[in-house]
Amino acid sequence: GENVEQHPSTLSVQEGDSAVIKCTYSDSASNYFPWYKQELGKRPQLIIDIRSNVGEKKDQRIAVTLNKTAKHFSLHITETQPEDSAVYFCAANLDSSYKLIFGSGTRLLVRP
Amino acid sequence: NAGVMQNPRHLVRRRGQEARLRCSPMKGHSHVYWYRQLPEEGLKFMVYLQKENIIDESGMPKERFSAEFPKEGPSILRIQQVVRGDSAAYFCASSPGQGGTYGYTFGSGTRLTVV
Repeated sequence: GENVEQHPSTLSVQEGDSAVIKCTYSDSASNYFPWYKQELGKRPQLIIDIRSNVGEKKDQRIAVTLNKTAKHFSLHITETQPEDSAVYFCAANLDSSYKLIFGSGTRLLVRP
Repeated sequence: NAGVMQNPRHLVRRRGQEARLRCSPMKGHSHVYWYRQLPEEGLKFMVYLQKENIIDESGMPKERFSAEFPKEGPSILRIQQVVRGDSAAYFCASSPGQGGTYGYTFGSGTRLTVV
């Protein structure tokens, strides 16, 4: 079945450094790849997404890249701040449909 | 726009009781999805509904779990005869069209604890 793998499971960076989280997916029909941020005890919030007709998308300090051939996509956060500390989830839609398959999450800690 | 509303936020049930979780989608959204999140894990798809229709329940256990999205009122996820393994956070999401195109907006979740 469809699988989304996410690495690393934990990531600790110094404030101001960059953070990169990587995901791979198995369904070649996937065409939508969102990233969610979840703070402790709160809802997952969409922070950025990318569709398969685009290789890169940027929104201020956050960027996502997609390599369809290799079936992997990455989240890049530059100039990290303590408020970026949270769990980040990648996802891919199964068979170009509504069903999102989530990665297992990356716990990001930004040290002041 | 109040966003996706879920209630209750916390629910404690004894083994064998029933749990009812409610979800009101965002205004203008007619597609509802339920996901389960175990502690320290990702979100697992359970069911996708549109008004009065279950579109995909492939992620929902065959026994004890049911979901509905009536013409009027919120979507309901019902768990009968709860067991300890049902303890988790249950998130509802909604979208204006199919989520693969439009993306999801999640509610704040219901944290179910079975004692």
